[in-house]
Amino acid sequence: AQSVTQPDIHITVSEGASLELRCNYSYGATPYLFWYVQSPGQGLQLLLKYFSGDTLVQGIKGFEAEFKRSQSSFNLRKPSVHWSDAAEYFCAVGASGYSTLTFGKGTMLLVSP
Amino acid sequence: GAVVSQHPSRVICKSGTSVKIECRSLDFQATTMFWYRQFPKQSLMLMATSNEGSKATYEQGVEKDKFLINHASLTLSTLTVTSAHPEDSSFYICSARSDQGQDQPQHFGDGTRLSIL
Repeated sequence: AQSVTQPDIHITVSEGASLELRCNYSYGATPYLFWYVQSPGQGLQLLLKYFSGDTLVQGIKGFEAEFKRSQSSFNLRKPSVHWSDAAEYFCAVGASGYSTLTFGKGTMLLVSP
Repeated sequence: GAVVSQHPSRVICKSGTSVKIECRSLDFQATTMFWYRQFPKQSLMLMATSNEGSKATYEQGVEKDKFLINHASLTLSTLTVTSAHPEDSSFYICSARSDQGQDQPQHFGDGTRLSIL
């Protein structure tokens, strides 16, 4: 069975500082990996995805993530955080592009002035 | 592109009422849609996979007679919470995946906040 662990329940970052959100997955084969962002009371917006190829993927809003098979990780990064980035971030894994997704518990990002 | 519309965004109703939530893919066709439930401060839990023209596939522990799913067209799936009770209060989110090409990600609606009094 596949699973996703997001070790940090919440993280506070100063505006303009860099950000890294951790995600570790458990899956027997090559996973399909996703990062979504959720603002309060809203649905989820896809930030980026990894299916194959280059292990460093670029997403929207200046986010990127790196797939590291040896560490079973898919950490999300942004070089300079903006106040509007404050939201909850979910990492998800699927067995394929067509399969159902398993989500992590989410990391709440707080941005301080 | 890839917009998913979910309606209504918020429902407050009395215990025993049945509530229907709609999920529409606005600019793409979706043979497959998904329904999730999210409790406060929790992650998304998949309830069921909705397939156009066939019966939905429910996850273990989800009552199919309680949560009726109808996927009548390639752009519309509905979730009906029958005889809702306070414990059904939650945030329900749908997602849809485009039929165009392989490996399409899920795109999510904005969710429905259901409150049963």
